[in-house]
Amino acid sequence: DQQVKQNSPSLSVQEGRISILNCDYTNSMFDYFLWYKKYPAEGPTFLISISSIKDKNEDGRFTVFLNKSAKHLSLHIVPSQPGDSAVYFCAAKVGYKLSFGAGTTVTVRA
Amino acid sequence: NAGVTQTPKFRVLKTGQSMTLLCAQDMNHEYMYWYRQDPGMGLRLIHYSVGEGTTAKGEVPDGYNVSRLKKQNFLLGLESAAPSQTSVYFCASTGQGDSPLHFGNGTRLTVT
Repeated sequence: DQQVKQNSPSLSVQEGRISILNCDYTNSMFDYFLWYKKYPAEGPTFLISISSIKDKNEDGRFTVFLNKSAKHLSLHIVPSQPGDSAVYFCAAKVGYKLSFGAGTTVTVRA
Repeated sequence: NAGVTQTPKFRVLKTGQSMTLLCAQDMNHEYMYWYRQDPGMGLRLIHYSVGEGTTAKGEVPDGYNVSRLKKQNFLLGLESAAPSQTSVYFCASTGQGDSPLHFGNGTRLTVT
């Protein structure tokens, strides 16, 4: 039973526009949320995180929003760049364990 | 600073063979993890360790064993490989608190 869900397997966006990636979770005990980015043949790399006590965290072009009542988080990338083309994983933590979604493949078109 | 290093990078096994995947980290991290990545499934936790000499089961532990004899190393063993274990395996480590996981570059395993 997957506790972290990314319902959009893929997203295509034009360079310069906003990319919005969504993630839903079912476990209300999750207290820390992260986004990872993955290029082919490499391991995932950490992008941005948010604690459950916050509703927004910003780092340059990346902003993560958390809606605890809806058990939903989203990642906004503005503006999207060709180097952003990758697989993005949403992850949620409780205790020592991190659970991941299935990933969303983002393609940024020139 | 190498971070998290996984060996080997690729391996092909026949059904029933055994092998060990090695993960080494040089960041003095307490916590180490083994995940597998399959299409449409994301990353699923196999086993993890919260310190030297300790291990615990994750979501999909069946068919795997692990050992953490030294703080910097976390070994994942397959005693009798099955085609269902064909996957990409990632090791990760992290320190205390809410610091993010650092991943290795993965081991691509094919079981025929």
